[in-house]
Parts: sequence; structure tokens; C-alpha cells
Amino acid sequence: GQQLNQSPQSMFIQEGEDVSMNCTSSSIFNTWLWYKQEPGEGPVLLIALYKAGELTSNGRLTAQFGITRKDSFLNISASIPSDVGIYFCAGPFGNEKLTFGTGTRLTIIP
Amino acid sequence: DAGITQSPRHKVTETGTPVTLRCHQTENHRYMYWYRQDPGHGLRLIHYSYGVKDTDKGEVSDGYSVSRSKTEDFLLTLESATSSQTSVYFCAISGLLTNTEAFFGQGTRLTVV
Repeated sequence: GQQLNQSPQSMFIQEGEDVSMNCTSSSIFNTWLWYKQEPGEGPVLLIALYKAGELTSNGRLTAQFGITRKDSFLNISASIPSDVGIYFCAGPFGNEKLTFGTGTRLTIIP
Repeated sequence: DAGITQSPRHKVTETGTPVTLRCHQTENHRYMYWYRQDPGHGLRLIHYSYGVKDTDKGEVSDGYSVSRSKTEDFLLTLESATSSQTSVYFCAISGLLTNTEAFFGQGTRLTVV
């Protein structure tokens, strides 16, 4: 079936540390999306990637579209308390069925 | 913020009753999606629409139906609610076929007792 495998499932880090997470797909994608969700809210789009090998930044966030087109990576540099939340990758199976990974829950230890 | 409104925001209903959730957009976007979110499962696609009266199933469509009679409205119906359908439901919209950046509503928390 259509699957997006996201890892790690959870991360516990100290403020100031860098964060890395990744997502792999069973199919080739033309687009990779990264979202963040905070409690009680809908997911918010962070970064969109459209080309294999593309590297895109949004402030302290950097995402990469893997050259195989079956994976993507998100990095957060110098984490701060407001980075807490659940991060999701997403991609369009068949160019229409936008499918999400199971998420990476980020917790920052004081 | 993208113009998406979900209603109701919260609902408690009894097993076996029909329930309809509404998603309304003011962006004139072509694509609309319904997802459910449960712990450990992330966001799972229920149904989506690629135009007025054009809909298709997602990965967890059993027990759900949808309708889209106008560009701006996408309805999700649980014909006979079950406890397994207790969840948070999110609507999302997306404009283009290849640039599938989707924007989400605030969610509807549904409890089936």
C-alpha cells in the first residue's frame, strides 16, 4: 500500500541542539511537504520541495528533496522552546492523494 | 491564514446516529480533503475531491461518504456513527494538481458514545 515512513517517532532534545528527521516513501514523489502541528491546531505548512536534490530553508529549518525522489529530510538548527510540536512529512501519491507520515514528536528538555 | 472553516468544532453523538461535518473554503481551490487524526496514526486520508461532484476514496473511507455540490463546500457524512470513528477530523484545501501545498482547517473533535 501507499506508505510514508517517518523517523524518529519522537525526539527529546535540549534547547540549542540541532534536530534531524527523515521520511521515506514506497513511491516516487514530485513534491515533498513538511508540516508542523501544535496542540489543538491544524497542521501548518513549513516547507515545500518540488525538485529532486532541492534544498530549501525557512529560517532555522532546512529541508531536502532526496535525489531518489523517495525520501526527504528536515533539519532544525539551534532549537528553541517554540519548536515543540509534531512534524509531518507529506507527499502526493498519484499526484492527488496527499498522504502524511505518522509524525515526529519533538520535545525540548529545559 | 487560508480561508477554511470547519463546523462544528466539537460534537458528541450517540452510536448509530448520522453525523455530517462541513468544510467551507473561501479560496476557490480545486482540491479538498478530509483526514482523521488518531494517536499513533498521524493523518489518514478519508476522501478527497478534485472538483464539484468529483470525489475519490482515501485509505480509510469505509463508513464515510462525502459530497461536494459547490466549489466552496465539502461535506463528510458518517451514516451510522461508531465508537471507532471517535477522532479529530481535519479538512484541507489545495489549489493545483502538481503543487499540492495543502492548507488545513482547525479541526473537528468528534466523540461517539
